[in-house]
Amino acid sequence: AQRVTQPEKLLSVFKGAPVELKCNYSYSGSPELFWYVQYSRQRLQLLLRHISRESIKGFTADLNKGETSFHLKKPFAQEEDSAMYYCALSGENSGGSNYKLTFGKGTLLTVNP
Amino acid sequence: GAGVSQSPSNKVTEKGKDVELRCDPISGHTALYWYRQSLGQGLEFLIYFQGNSAPDKSGLPSDRFSAERTGGSVSTLTIQRTQQEDSAVYLCASSLWGLQETQYFGPGTRLLVL
Repeated sequence: AQRVTQPEKLLSVFKGAPVELKCNYSYSGSPELFWYVQYSRQRLQLLLRHISRESIKGFTADLNKGETSFHLKKPFAQEEDSAMYYCALSGENSGGSNYKLTFGKGTLLTVNP
Repeated sequence: GAGVSQSPSNKVTEKGKDVELRCDPISGHTALYWYRQSLGQGLEFLIYFQGNSAPDKSGLPSDRFSAERTGGSVSTLTIQRTQQEDSAVYLCASSLWGLQETQYFGPGTRLLVL
């Protein structure tokens, strides 16, 4: 079974401060990890994914297989980063197909001025 | 190009009635997914389509839920004899092939069962 845990429901920081949104997963195979973001009144959209190793809007995330973590980090938070962030995993079912996403319950990030 | 679209955007219904939710995926995407987003439960996978077939229906919460996809494009999620616990936002997503790919989400249908 695959599981994603985001331990913080709410996270509040001040503008310019570093931010880290935690994500831990439980999975025995080779997962693909994603961070999705939902801004107020907008649809859920991809922020970044492990395999692409990109930095999007200043955010980065490193897959740590030893700690089974995929924490999202940004050195200097901006007010426009305020949103709901979901960590998600795509793995394998018993048939070997990697398709569905298993989501964490999300962290609501608020960046205060 | 156009993204994933869903209709209606909001639906209020009475307990016991049937509802149909529609999803138009991105053109050319063969994989289509339905998820449910509810308070306390987060985002839950419901069903996955590859073309017109649904190899995984494991997430459907009960036999009152069904979905179909025709022409490899539009999908309809049907909830029969709605219950109050069905109230949630129903999200549709699509991806090009389905294998550990980025999924593109629609705006969702907010369902309220009174």
